[in-house]
Amino acid sequence: DAKTTQPNSMESNEEEPVHLPCNHSTISGTDYIHWYRQLPSQGPEYVIHGLTSNVNNRMASLAIAEDRKSSTLILHRATLRDAAVYYCILRDFTYSGGGADGLTFGKGTHLIIQP
Amino acid sequence: DTGVSQNPRHKITKRGQNVTFRCDPISEHNRLYWYRQTLGQGPEFLTYFQNEAQLEKSRLLSDRFSAERPKGSFSTLEIQRTEQGDSAMYLCASSLPSGGNVLTFGAGSRLTVL
Repeated sequence: DAKTTQPNSMESNEEEPVHLPCNHSTISGTDYIHWYRQLPSQGPEYVIHGLTSNVNNRMASLAIAEDRKSSTLILHRATLRDAAVYYCILRDFTYSGGGADGLTFGKGTHLIIQP
Repeated sequence: DTGVSQNPRHKITKRGQNVTFRCDPISEHNRLYWYRQTLGQGPEFLTYFQNEAQLEKSRLLSDRFSAERPKGSFSTLEIQRTEQGDSAMYLCASSLPSGGNVLTFGAGSRLTVL
């Protein structure tokens, strides 16, 4: 699995936008970029994923660099409930069996939201 | 469907005892994954199944760890002769088989070995 690099922690104010960066310079052409978050005492939760184009859903937006070597998760208006650890992960969509198909998690970014 | 269910949520055991965790995935998901998470770290992949076939088990931490999914539905993760270093959160996730599909995680089973 290709690796990603994220800041250890970030802090933001409530009701402001948050931009969480992720570097993945060794990404391959068949890797999707996935974002998950983990609230305290819970399992990880899917946020968003994309391949090449920017993606939007009800939780967040994903901006992918043209060369795909970096991406940014955007929370448009952070709330206290968005305080969590955010993981940026690469997953090969051509995977068909054998080896570690499971997502490889790093330490993620601990997002702190100030009221 | 209520998502991925894991039991027990908490288990306290003495060193040397065996423990078993159960995971019930989302019913239409044929892939099932086990992870371990220690404090301050991201989840660490252990093993996964497609239906009843265990397609990857080289990441299991030692031969004391084993997992089964006998009928392609629920799965169990067993740790034999537990050690204090096994204390962690054990997470289960499930997904459809397509590589782009997302994982749905359970809330985890927290193990404390005294």
